[in-house]
Amino acid sequence: GEDVEQSLFLSVREGDSSVINCTYTDSSSTYLYWYKQEPGAGLQLLTYIFSNMDMKQDQRLTVLLNKKDKHLSLRIADTQTGDSAIYFCATTGHGSSNTGKLIFGQGTTLQVKP
Amino acid sequence: EPEVTQTPSHQVTQMGQEVILRCVPISNHLYFYWYRQILGQKVEFLVSFYNNEISEKSEIFDDQFSVERPDGSNFTLKIRSTKLEDSAMYFCASSFSYEQYFGPGTRLTVT
Repeated sequence: GEDVEQSLFLSVREGDSSVINCTYTDSSSTYLYWYKQEPGAGLQLLTYIFSNMDMKQDQRLTVLLNKKDKHLSLRIADTQTGDSAIYFCATTGHGSSNTGKLIFGQGTTLQVKP
Repeated sequence: EPEVTQTPSHQVTQMGQEVILRCVPISNHLYFYWYRQILGQKVEFLVSFYNNEISEKSEIFDDQFSVERPDGSNFTLKIRSTKLEDSAMYFCASSFSYEQYFGPGTRLTVT
């Protein structure tokens, strides 16, 4: 079935770049998303990429998509302590680009050390 | 900035009771969703709703669950007879096209 996988934990120093990785199984995924969840809060949409793109940059965020390997990554430049959160990768499920169903990874906890 | 709101933030109920979780989506959005996250597990899709009807539902969304948009602004999830395993964080989301915006969630605790 459809699946999205992420590593569980990443620790970086403030000012370094962070790279959070995600793999997915459904090659028909149309949109791929990154969400951020801070403690006690909901899921904040950070950015997304359409499946016909390889890269998208939005200020400190860079999303890379390798469709051949079904691999998505989120790079955060100049990581700050305020970036500490859980980051979720999500894709539109098979045949669900019209209904919008999202399939989520388990989330990567990013710890930023001062 | 418009946002999705959910009430209550925390609901405690006894097994077998009915609960209604409420959401106010962003006002010009057309698509509405419920997801849940059991502690320590992935966020799971429950149901999507468009044009006053369910457009897709997951295997989790059985006859115990129902959704409604009663008045053009609220979007509700009803669980008729709660089970212990329904304890989770329930998220509402809405979208106009492909960007889904999530509410802060309702933590449901079934005792």
